[in-house]
Amino acid sequence: QKEVEQNSGPLSVPEGAIASLNCTYSDRGSQSFFWYRQYSGKSPELIMSIYSNGDKEDGRFTAQLNKASQYVSLLIRDSQPSDSATYLCAVNRRGNEKLTFGTGTRLTIIP
Amino acid sequence: DAGVIQSPRHEVTEMGQEVTLRCKPISGHNSLFWYRQTMMRGLELLIYFNNNVPIDDSGMPEDRFSAKMPNASFSTLKIQPSEPRDSAVYFCASRLPGQGYEKLFFGSGTQLSVL
Repeated sequence: QKEVEQNSGPLSVPEGAIASLNCTYSDRGSQSFFWYRQYSGKSPELIMSIYSNGDKEDGRFTAQLNKASQYVSLLIRDSQPSDSATYLCAVNRRGNEKLTFGTGTRLTIIP
Repeated sequence: DAGVIQSPRHEVTEMGQEVTLRCKPISGHNSLFWYRQTMMRGLELLIYFNNNVPIDDSGMPEDRFSAKMPNASFSTLKIQPSEPRDSAVYFCASRLPGQGYEKLFFGSGTQLSVL
């Protein structure tokens, strides 16, 4: 079992709709959770972090965390073509410098 | 600040050759990370340094890989000899000590192709 699992996609979503990206992790000691966006040929950039169960909203982005189910999700409302990218889920265990990434989900927003 | 600077941006080499990737972290950032990204394995941590000292190199795939940080403003990742399976994008990232990952900044990466 991979430490962080994501559906590789591609996930196609019409412009203006909600894009839902999912991630599961295996280490129950994970404390910090992150979503990175990576455009083709570019480096990852952090878009959301979440540490507690529940929802965290930032503009059009909402991160959701359920530690009991070991599940993290990212919702993108009012999807725009500029949201087309690969989204990487990453988790970190307290006291451990290692940030473990999933392989990413490729999202395409269809105009 | 210019951000994390990596060189070269692209490297094409033949199997068996030595490859050296370079990284200049953001000034004042004394935690430095080397990652490798492939389609199959995603983004993997190879090694990280705090205050120029390697802390965890458990991600280094084998002895062909070595990394150094001779000073706070420069690090290298060397592969000798290189193999086709080393083809990947290699990222360097840095942050201030004790900062969370919200403050981790990536370089633009080096696309390595080993023929």
